[in-house]
Amino acid sequence: EAQVTQNPRYLITVTGKKLTVTCSQNMNHEYMSWYRQDPGLGLRQIYYSMNVEVTDKGDVPEGYKVSRKEKRNFPLILESPSPNQTSLYFCASSFTAGGEQFFGPGTRLTVL
Amino acid sequence: ILNVEQSPQSLHVQEGDSTNFTCSFPSSNFYALHWYRWETAKSPEALFVMTLNGDEKKKGRISATLNTKEGYSYLYIKGSQPEDSATYLCASLTGSARQLTFGSGTQLTVLP
Repeated sequence: EAQVTQNPRYLITVTGKKLTVTCSQNMNHEYMSWYRQDPGLGLRQIYYSMNVEVTDKGDVPEGYKVSRKEKRNFPLILESPSPNQTSLYFCASSFTAGGEQFFGPGTRLTVL
Repeated sequence: ILNVEQSPQSLHVQEGDSTNFTCSFPSSNFYALHWYRWETAKSPEALFVMTLNGDEKKKGRISATLNTKEGYSYLYIKGSQPEDSATYLCASLTGSARQLTFGSGTQLTVLP
């Protein structure tokens, strides 16, 4: 089944404790991206990747890192999480940047 | 950050009513306009990807139009049903065509 998977789906952590949210797609998509969703603000892009080893900042990259060592995986890293990073996070992928995005199930992160 | 705006923010209609909402986006350096449907507790799903001025796309009772010169798109739902209740998101791809900017969505509730 063609899909985008994210893990974990839910996470409660404390300020400063490094964490990684994994994202994987099995559709051989070149473009992958991370979004956060906050009430009233819609989806805001954190980082995106056009292909392996090619990543770029989106609109709200501060406090996040990403890597794209393999085409299928695009992990989101929070080196030192803070409470303002409490949010719902979505990973998405598509064949190209202009193509329809396939979204993962979301990760709800709470930073205490 | 590009400004993609959607109106209205929320909308309640009766079952059987037809409805429409608006997405406005920067018209300069236009590349593509996306529409997504986002049901509660699920992930956004693509409805349409539109690229040509004057384009009109249809999927069942849902259709969309695009005006790239003036920077707006309309989404129409004919004969709304309770299962159409969702948040409808539009997203604009411009310039270098690498970064997708989402609006904050229109939340539609169809009352039986």
